[in-house]
Amino acid sequence: QVQLQQWGAGLLKPSETLSLTCAVYGGSFSGYYWSWIRQPPGKGLEWIGEINHSGSTNYNPSLKSRVTISVDTSKNQFSLKLSSVTAADTAVYYCARLQPAVISGRYMDVWGKGTTVTVSS
Amino acid sequence: SSELTQDPAVSVALGQTVRITCQGDSLRSYYASWYQQKPGQAPVLVIYGKNNRPSGIPDRFSGSSSGNTASLTITGAQAEDEADYYCNSRDSSGNHLRVFGGGTKLTVL
Repeated sequence: QVQLQQWGAGLLKPSETLSLTCAVYGGSFSGYYWSWIRQPPGKGLEWIGEINHSGSTNYNPSLKSRVTISVDTSKNQFSLKLSSVTAADTAVYYCARLQPAVISGRYMDVWGKGTTVTVSS
Repeated sequence: SSELTQDPAVSVALGQTVRITCQGDSLRSYYASWYQQKPGQAPVLVIYGKNNRPSGIPDRFSGSSSGNTASLTITGAQAEDEADYYCNSRDSSGNHLRVFGGGTKLTVL
């Protein structure tokens, strides 16, 4: 049973860099894409970006200039960095596994529990 | 703004059937996946592909697609189905980008 465990700083000041890590337990790391999604308080889900085990990335254009997603295959971990945060970046951040299925289309079948990140001065 | 459009709220009487829809140009080419989210919890995948349910998802959940619209149908809605539902698919740019619908709040009366 694959599980994702995520962690990172929960309180940031404006202009700081958000940094979160997600560890994959109980399953293969290669062969999948690994995603970050966020949800501002009371709002819907927003896709941030994804990475595969080789380091190939795709980013949400609205965040691309500030986002870096990286992977550490030796630890089965992937990470999110979001620079120059503002109050608008306050959200619950989730990591998820993206199945790269060709016929069924891609879907996120395993999710982390989420990390609440608050940006406040 | 989202490239996938969902009705903000839908209600259904207990035991009745409800359809939640998701509209977007990309759905003409790509399947949507559907996620259920209850308050304070992470989303859970309920439907993917043409009409596939992950293990553990009740068979009252089903999916379909026609043209630019994907649908999630709950046949015989239960109280525990009250939740937010999100669709997700590729965006319409032709790049490998993903987008969520704005979400539908389902109320079971």
